[in-house]
Amino acid sequence: GQQLNQSPQSMFIQEGEDVSMNCTSSSIFNTWLWYKQEPGEGPVLLIALYKAGELTSNGRLTAQFGITRKDSFLNISASIPSDVGIYFCAGQGSAGNNRKLIWGLGTSLAVNP
Amino acid sequence: SAVISQKPSRDICQRGTSLTIQCQVDSQVTMMFWYRQQPGQSLTLIATANQGSEATYESGFVIDKFPISRPNLTFSTLTVSNMSPEDSSIYLCSVEDHNYGYTFGSGTRLTVV
Repeated sequence: GQQLNQSPQSMFIQEGEDVSMNCTSSSIFNTWLWYKQEPGEGPVLLIALYKAGELTSNGRLTAQFGITRKDSFLNISASIPSDVGIYFCAGQGSAGNNRKLIWGLGTSLAVNP
Repeated sequence: SAVISQKPSRDICQRGTSLTIQCQVDSQVTMMFWYRQQPGQSLTLIATANQGSEATYESGFVIDKFPISRPNLTFSTLTVSNMSPEDSSIYLCSVEDHNYGYTFGSGTRLTVV
């Protein structure tokens, strides 16, 4: 099925560094969602974006809904060890079959204390 | 946000047998979604379960292999039938949670031997 282009695939950083990851799509979305998944758990919503150009923060996390509606990024500032996990983006269209979530392949983040 | 209780959390099953996974939501929801997440991969939608009607399956998934029940607005089951090692995955249920994107259960880690 359709998937989003999410990059980077993995990151290994030092504690305190900032992190940036992004997703791009060939389709326009009405909603972008960013999730984090830790081992043995389901994905947990970090940030939801509903409007082109929207910039939303959740603590040290900031995400933006691209103006073209085909991309989004997630930034994590001053990373800490508990940021370790896999981050997924997901996009959603407007109606009918387009309302299915389309997922990125994930960015695996490792933080060296 | 909605709270989803999914069980079992993990199981090891013999090939040729079936496993039924349960999801209980603490509020009434119209649609419940079942996903498969193969090792190291992103999420793939198996089917959408509506109360009172047959589930809608995605391409590549069939009812005989993954029968779904949705007896009421707070509960659903997914059965993985006639299992083979290729069915070893994490299975996740999810609901659309207004203003919270989609909420996920903690997943069922299935190993088929």
